[in-house]
Amino acid sequence: RKEVEQDPGPFNVPEGATVAFNCTYSNSASQSFFWYRQDCRKEPKLLMSVYSSGNEDGRFTAQLNRASQYISLLIRDSKLSDSATYLCVVRGSGGSYIPTFGRGTSLIVHP
Amino acid sequence: NAGVTQTPKFRVLKTGQSMTLLCAQDMNHEYMYWYRQDPGMGLRLIHYSVGEGTTAKGEVPDGYNVSRLKKQNFLLGLESAAPSQTSVYFCAAEAGNKRETQYFGPGTRLLVL
Repeated sequence: RKEVEQDPGPFNVPEGATVAFNCTYSNSASQSFFWYRQDCRKEPKLLMSVYSSGNEDGRFTAQLNRASQYISLLIRDSKLSDSATYLCVVRGSGGSYIPTFGRGTSLIVHP
Repeated sequence: NAGVTQTPKFRVLKTGQSMTLLCAQDMNHEYMYWYRQDPGMGLRLIHYSVGEGTTAKGEVPDGYNVSRLKKQNFLLGLESAAPSQTSVYFCAAEAGNKRETQYFGPGTRLLVL
């Protein structure tokens, strides 16, 4: 089982839709969690950190479920500009603080 | 303030040739990383450094060497390129002290024939 797993998609949704991605991690000792966004042929950029209490940034909501070992990203009122690959990142696995990236989930928002 | 820069942006090599990829950061960050990204594989860590003069192996270090002689630069070397090293290479910098946000360079696209 991979340390960090994501459904690769693509998720193909119309503008205005709500879409959610999950990311599961295998190491229960993991400490920190993040979502990065990567546009086509560009570098990844931090979208948001994921806190135990959950956090929201505009149309984006991230949540952590330690019991089931997954994090989620909810995007409301999808925009065309949300089309990208969303990377899940977990840190603190296996005694190391080095980040582990999921393979990413592709989102396509169409008119 | 350029953040993280990478040179070159694109390179074509023949099997067996050598080259060095340069990553430079102007944020005075302690930690630096080299990743490769292949279709369907996500980002895989090659080597990383937690400070000037230190380096460590990541998940896929074979065929690569690195050096961090200056805090702002992290070099990735391929001594004898192989077609399996065709990839997009990303460098990242991070403040350390658990500030955690990684800042990535724009990437280097390498094709090994």
